[in-house]
Amino acid sequence: QVQLQESGPGLVKPSETLSLTCTVSGGSMSSFYWSWVRQPPGKGLEWIGYISYSGSANYNASLRSRVTISVDTSKNQFSLNLRSVTAADTAVYYCVRHGWSSAPLDYWGQGTLVTVSS
Amino acid sequence: SYDLTQPLSVSVALGQTARLTCGGNNIVHKNVQWYQQKPGQAPVMVIYTDKNRPSGIPERFSGSNSGNTATLTITRAQAGDEADYYCQVWDSSTYVGFGGGTRLTVL
Repeated sequence: QVQLQESGPGLVKPSETLSLTCTVSGGSMSSFYWSWVRQPPGKGLEWIGYISYSGSANYNASLRSRVTISVDTSKNQFSLNLRSVTAADTAVYYCVRHGWSSAPLDYWGQGTLVTVSS
Repeated sequence: SYDLTQPLSVSVALGQTARLTCGGNNIVHKNVQWYQQKPGQAPVMVIYTDKNRPSGIPERFSGSNSGNTATLTITRAQAGDEADYYCQVWDSSTYVGFGGGTRLTVL
């Protein structure tokens, strides 16, 4: 059974960079795609972007200028960097697996709350 | 981006059938997924590619897609079905769109 676990700081200051890592266990990262999805408190889901096992990335146009997603298959991890954060970036961040670029989002991490505040 | 419209809330009597809709322009030409999210938990996929149920999802959950509307149908609604439900599509295989979500209340 594939499991995904997010990790990283729960508090980030405005204008700084939000950095999260997702560790994948119970399966290989090869042949799959890996996304980040976030959910502000009390609101809906927003897709941030994905990266393939080979390192090809695609981002939500609304966040593209501030986002980088990377992958390290040797560690079974992929990461999210979101630069120049504001309070609007406060959200629960989920890491997600999908089988190919346009596949259903079949496995989700439990999510981690990141608060942007000074 | 591709806009998906969901009603904010739907209520259903215990044991009855709930129908949750997801509207989008010619959504019939897209593969629609549905996710269930209970408070404090991560979303769980309950329907993929319009009408398919992942392993472990009860047969009470079914999906359909026609014209400009995709529908998630939950028969014999139970208290445990109370949750937020989100529809999702891929736009041009490069962008994930989510509906705004529907809060299902079982009365």
